Amino acid sequence: GENVEQHPSTLSVQEGDSAVIKCTYSDSASNYFPWYKQELGKRPQLIIDIRSNVGEKKDQRIAVTLNKTAKHFSLHITETQPEDSAVYFCAASGVGNYQLIWGAGTKLIIKP
Amino acid sequence: GAVVSQHPSWVICKSGTSVKIECRSLDFQATTMFWYRQFPKQSLMLMATSNEGSKATYEQGVEKDKFLINHASLTLSTLTVTSAHPEDSSFYICSARDGTGTDTQYFGPGTRLTVL
Repeated sequence: GENVEQHPSTLSVQEGDSAVIKCTYSDSASNYFPWYKQELGKRPQLIIDIRSNVGEKKDQRIAVTLNKTAKHFSLHITETQPEDSAVYFCAASGVGNYQLIWGAGTKLIIKP
Repeated sequence: GAVVSQHPSWVICKSGTSVKIECRSLDFQATTMFWYRQFPKQSLMLMATSNEGSKATYEQGVEKDKFLINHASLTLSTLTVTSAHPEDSSFYICSARDGTGTDTQYFGPGTRLTVL
């Protein structure tokens, strides 16, 4: 079955710098890759997603890139702000299978 | 749009009792709902997939007789933790997918269950 690995587990960056979180997946049939942000004690919130027919997607300070050949996708956050501090999860799902396979999460710490 | 509610937000119960958690999609019809369990500082663990009008599909290792799931309508799914024990204490989160063919899952706010 599908397996998603996420790195790093913790990422500390200076406010204003960029943050990059990477995920790899094992099932080449996976075609949907969302990223969720979860603050402590709260629900995961979708921040951006990408489908396999697109290589890159951007929404203001957040972007996601997908390399289907290498089976990895990355989250890029530019000009980081204190409110970006949270745990970020990547996930993958396949055709006709709406279950999400989750990465282990990355705790992002923005240093003032 | 795409709001999912969950009730209760937290519950404390005695060992041996049953607890029911409701998950509702407020502004869309959810053909599929998912139930997750999340331990502190860990990722989401899928417990079961629930389709309206049919039996839930449980993940390996999840006891279907202990975690009863009912998806009676397109806007409501319930999870009942039967004969709860302290090891069932956890954060339970539901998510819902609409029926428009997208894969996006929208999450409820979660329920913190503490079993004494």
